[in-house]
Amino acid sequence: DAGVTQSPTHLIKTRGQQVTLRCSPKSGHDTVSWYQQALGQGPQFIFQYYEEEERQRGNFPDRFSGHQFPNYSSELNVNALLLGDSALYLCASSLVWTGGSLTQYFGPGTRLTVL
Amino acid sequence: AQRVTQPEKLLSVFKGAPVELKCNYSYSGSPELFWYVQYSRQRLQLLLRHISRESIKGFTADLNKGETSFHLKKPFAQEEDSAMYYCALSAGAGSYQLTFGKGTKLSVIP
Repeated sequence: DAGVTQSPTHLIKTRGQQVTLRCSPKSGHDTVSWYQQALGQGPQFIFQYYEEEERQRGNFPDRFSGHQFPNYSSELNVNALLLGDSALYLCASSLVWTGGSLTQYFGPGTRLTVL
Repeated sequence: AQRVTQPEKLLSVFKGAPVELKCNYSYSGSPELFWYVQYSRQRLQLLLRHISRESIKGFTADLNKGETSFHLKKPFAQEEDSAMYYCALSAGAGSYQLTFGKGTKLSVIP
């Protein structure tokens, strides 16, 4: 099992452009969460997808949107890119939370640079 | 709203010395606490979670609800422990997000 995979590894865009990042969850996992990690900061929750719907959202503008496919993979879309969107974007997968523990497994991340 | 504070950006200890990485949280309910570790050029990975009450790689952490702390401890540091450590909180039932601290970089000096 390769675990959580993300593509691409690196991406360079200019202000105002749009970007799509992709994530495949760990085998057997049905839930995908996205985090933004700015330099020197901890990861910040963007949103989580389960059963192809956004289940919870963090404090991010509507420019950030996502999608989950029937095979549980997911995309993160960011429109009208700003310089401040430059960060490492992490995908995490888990089994649906069931009265136990929210244990998430992280991918290697996509490094987005906005010029 | 929940918050996680890791007061030290960098902690340097000598090999064989005890290690304590501090984590304090702010949350009024019953949270679940985690420690994640990121070794050089590797992905973020779960080290331990408070509900398991387990010891991983010699590390332990006890949830102190009175002091709202979840400090990570190891009695004897090893060089391979050098890494970035993040404390994280989940608000419990019905919450699907992790709130992370800013992380502490542990450097173990040979």
